[in-house]
Amino acid sequence: QSALTQPASVSGSPGQSITIFCTGTSTDVGGYNSVSWYQQHPGKAPKVVIYDVSKRPSGISNRFSGSKSGHTASLIISGLRAEDEADYYCTSYTINSNIVFGTGTKVTVL
Amino acid sequence: QAQLVQSGAEVTKPGASLKVSCKTSGYTFLDYGISWVRQAPGQGLEWMGWISTHNGQTNPAQKFQDRVSMTIDTTTTTAYMDVRSLRPDDTAFYYCARVVAWNYLDLWGQGTLVTVS
Repeated sequence: QSALTQPASVSGSPGQSITIFCTGTSTDVGGYNSVSWYQQHPGKAPKVVIYDVSKRPSGISNRFSGSKSGHTASLIISGLRAEDEADYYCTSYTINSNIVFGTGTKVTVL
Repeated sequence: QAQLVQSGAEVTKPGASLKVSCKTSGYTFLDYGISWVRQAPGQGLEWMGWISTHNGQTNPAQKFQDRVSMTIDTTTTTAYMDVRSLRPDDTAFYYCARVVAWNYLDLWGQGTLVTVS
């Protein structure tokens, strides 16, 4: 199972919105509504911010939202803040009954 | 409060084996699976596999099928991962994480740094 494809970096100014794309295939992203997104700050463990494509865990800001179209999922961060600067990873359930991670995206707040 | 606490950092030599532990607490152990994820220095996250706490059935990623074993101890609510025939490129942080609905990972351990040199 190959890693899902994400842009290496995305940047935006405070208050702006950014979108991170996560592209897979019919055997993962395109085949299941089981896409999740994780935020990882340097030196810290990852934290889930979106699961099941568009659901937010308790305690996660509504500035984080998710969607999916075909083989591509998206994470939208609106009202960008300095604390959103981190690495973001998507995952998807796969046809092999396992999980595959995306390549990761570094978000920079300008 | 639910938490996963992992064993401490390890330094080991190529060809050796090691076992990382993941002690769970604060929730019903049998209600969730456990997954293992690793991250080489400066690199991305890599899913290694997961284990059912009900019956111990595992599903390792193909890349790790020959060298990785995942086990659980329901009496101590602890998960373990054994890695054999270690290589320098196995140097990484190894994380355990709680699995929800065989879908996403909602609670993570603090990570265990394994250095193979």
